[in-house]
Amino acid sequence: NAGVTQTPKFRVLKTGQSMTLLCAQDMNHEYMYWYRQDPGMGLRLIHYSVGEGTTAKGEVPDGYNVSRLKKQNFLLGLESAAPSQTSVYFCASSYMEWETQYFGPGTRLLVL
Amino acid sequence: AQKVTQAQTEISVVEKEDVTLDCVYETRDTTYYLFWYKQPPSGELVFLIRRNSFDEQNEISGRYSWNFQKSTSSFNFTITASQVVDSAVYFCALSEAGNNNDMRFGAGTRLTVKP
Repeated sequence: NAGVTQTPKFRVLKTGQSMTLLCAQDMNHEYMYWYRQDPGMGLRLIHYSVGEGTTAKGEVPDGYNVSRLKKQNFLLGLESAAPSQTSVYFCASSYMEWETQYFGPGTRLLVL
Repeated sequence: AQKVTQAQTEISVVEKEDVTLDCVYETRDTTYYLFWYKQPPSGELVFLIRRNSFDEQNEISGRYSWNFQKSTSSFNFTITASQVVDSAVYFCALSEAGNNNDMRFGAGTRLTVKP
């Protein structure tokens, strides 16, 4: 099992450009999450999904959109990137609510 | 809202020393879950432990041990006989049963173990 994978690993964007980050999990987990990690702030939840076709906002959702068209995939979109979105993005999944979340390797995003 | 505080930003020890990483949490829920994750220099997040609020038993796993005390809202992590491979950033996290999809992380403690 690959667990949780993320694509791409690293990306550089110019302000105003758009992009989509892909997260895939092969553990048949219902719950999926997107976090961002900034220095000195730990991880903060952007959006999450409790099942195929559902999404919900987390702590810092502004400037991001998500979609969960397939159970195994969770996409994070930036429609118009801003320098404040420079961060490391982690995807995670869990079998059920309250269960352990397993994380992908992260995507490093630099917005110039 | 729930909150996790890891007051120690950085800790440096010499190999074979014991080290304790502190975690203090705030929550209004009576049912909640506490976690510790390790982030080595390679950047991935590695799950270490999950504890629910009704289980105050301390846990030991090899050189790792965890001390959960509800009376002081703390969930501290001790590494015994530290090794260079323990060098990493360690995160404590809290998930409330009533708000279970919003897991809150502490800012992390960077542990450096010198040979």
